[in-house]
Amino acid sequence: EPEVTQTPSHQVTQMGQEVILRCVPISNHLYFYWYRQILGQKVEFLVSFYNNEISEKSEIFDDQFSVERPDGSNFTLKIRSTKLEDSAMYFCAFPRGESYEQYFGPGTRLTVT
Amino acid sequence: EDQVTQSPEALRLQEGESSSLNCSYTVSGLRGLFWYRQDPGKGPEFLFTLYSAGEEKEKERLKATLTKKESFLHITAPKPEDSATYLCAVQGNTDKLIFGTGTRLQVFP
Repeated sequence: EPEVTQTPSHQVTQMGQEVILRCVPISNHLYFYWYRQILGQKVEFLVSFYNNEISEKSEIFDDQFSVERPDGSNFTLKIRSTKLEDSAMYFCAFPRGESYEQYFGPGTRLTVT
Repeated sequence: EDQVTQSPEALRLQEGESSSLNCSYTVSGLRGLFWYRQDPGKGPEFLFTLYSAGEEKEKERLKATLTKKESFLHITAPKPEDSATYLCAVQGNTDKLIFGTGTRLQVFP
């Protein structure tokens, strides 16, 4: 059974539309992270989330982005008005155990047309 | 500024031909250096964490080493199923991972 699921696996949306990406871990986590990877580029940090609050965010994570934990079992990343350059794979990640490594979900491919 | 540079960008090996991948880094207060494997269209899969210079970790045909400036991922007698992109990331004073662009490895039978 996978540690975390992400839905949808692929979303196509038109420029200017809002999208919500979801991440559901199989166990509760206080820490959670979102990253993105534009095709052919490096994985980039977006935001870290601890105990229902943003603890750190990158320059990419501007006012168009928001994160929530709508209930105890899932986390969401919202993009309010998508742009072409938001097309990327979006990964959620979480720490496991007492060390610092982060485990990544399978990702959501977002295509903005 | 924290930074990770990986080389080479791409590597083609014959099955059984051992080689090494390099990850050079600059970071304030290294908490950990991480190696991941990524298959096309998938999320990064965790391989190793290294915490201090001189540390080594092994898993099957892979061995990761760490110095104060760089890390190496040694691949011994690779098989075609080892073909993937190998990512290096560092963690400094905060939780965020800073990734390199990766090395795309292809192993031919």
